[in-house]
Amino acid sequence: NAGVTQTPKFRVLKTGQSMTLLCAQDMNHEYMYWYRQDPGMGLRLIHYSVGEGTTAKGEVPDGYNVSRLKKQNFLLGLESAAPSQTSVYFCASTPFLGRQYFGPGTRLTVT
Amino acid sequence: GNSVTQMEGPVTLSEEAFLTINCTYTATGYPSLFWYVQYPGEGLQLLLKATKADDKGSNKGFEATYRKETTSFHLEKGSVQVSDSAVYFCALSGSGGSNYKLTFGKGTLLTVNP
Repeated sequence: NAGVTQTPKFRVLKTGQSMTLLCAQDMNHEYMYWYRQDPGMGLRLIHYSVGEGTTAKGEVPDGYNVSRLKKQNFLLGLESAAPSQTSVYFCASTPFLGRQYFGPGTRLTVT
Repeated sequence: GNSVTQMEGPVTLSEEAFLTINCTYTATGYPSLFWYVQYPGEGLQLLLKATKADDKGSNKGFEATYRKETTSFHLEKGSVQVSDSAVYFCALSGSGGSNYKLTFGKGTLLTVNP
């Protein structure tokens, strides 16, 4: 099992550009999450999904969109990147009851 | 809503020193509690967990006991190693219908010197 994988690992964008981050899991988990990690802020939940075809807003959803067309994939989109979105993004998944499995992260810089 | 407060770092220790990282929480119902660890350049990994009051989670020499009376879940290790240098996150999952969402503390950076 590869677990949770994220693509790409690093990316640099200019302000106003768009991009999509891909998260894939091969554990048949129902729930998937996108977090951002910033210094001194811990992890903050952006969006999450409780199953294929469903998405919901987390703590900091503004400026992001998500889609879960297939159970194993959870996509995070930035339509018009801003410097405030410079961060490390983590995807996670869980079958149930709290324990989450994390991907290795995507480091995004917006200039 | 739910919240987690953990001691601010950074924490710097010498090898073989005793480690305590404090964590307290606010939650309704009966949450599950977790400690996650993040090594440099990696994602978070579950270190240990406890699902009910008085449970003790343990792994790799680390321990934490779920204390409902003090709403705490402090992380301890009797003798740290250089390889324990990492960021440690305390987290809780809500009870009932929100038990699939985690609330994290801000993290505590631990550096262990040889």
